[in-house]
Amino acid sequence: DVKVTQSSRYLVKRTGEKVFLECVQDMDHENMFWYRQDPGLGLRLIYFSYDVKMKEKGDIPEGYSVSREKKERFSLILESASTNQTSMYLCASSMQVSGANVLTFGAGSRLTVL
Amino acid sequence: GQNIDQPTEMTATEGAIVQINCTYQTSGFNGLFWYQQHAGEAPTFLSYNVLDGLEEKGRFSSFLSRSKGYSYLLLKELQMKDSASYLCASMDSNYQLIWGAGTKLIIKP
Repeated sequence: DVKVTQSSRYLVKRTGEKVFLECVQDMDHENMFWYRQDPGLGLRLIYFSYDVKMKEKGDIPEGYSVSREKKERFSLILESASTNQTSMYLCASSMQVSGANVLTFGAGSRLTVL
Repeated sequence: GQNIDQPTEMTATEGAIVQINCTYQTSGFNGLFWYQQHAGEAPTFLSYNVLDGLEEKGRFSSFLSRSKGYSYLLLKELQMKDSASYLCASMDSNYQLIWGAGTKLIIKP
């Protein structure tokens, strides 16, 4: 089975701190994604990557950056955390299944910014 | 604009059938996905429809009408473990997913 592992399930940070969220997938998938999930809203795409060293902005990239130095690892960086970045962050990788690009998600990283 | 609508919450009884509806408006259309998410866990893939009609997978079925911008997920013989949120997502012309806010399904004994 494809496994997507997010390094931290729960983090508490202070405003202004730099935050790294790490994600590793073990099935050689080309595509990786970072989403945030907030109550009452659909998943919102922050950044995605279709290849090593490649990144594309999603719908809400402001305040975030990403790094993909190796195929299996996609990191989300908050340069200076703010309280409005308190959220659940979900990493995903994808593969084609019967013509569909199916996402496999990690368990999520719940970030609280104080 | 792009929009996905689904009910916020539904309640059903163990052993019964429930239908979760989803309507969508996206720029172009390349398929409709359903994911299941148990509380505190990752969403997991349930189904993908790109052609009109019903796709059946065991107790779960998914229906699509492209002309109406409408899909539903049908769950039969409900079990307590089906208590979860069900996320609908439409893929637009750029192959990006537009997600609904999810439907929380509560199963009562």
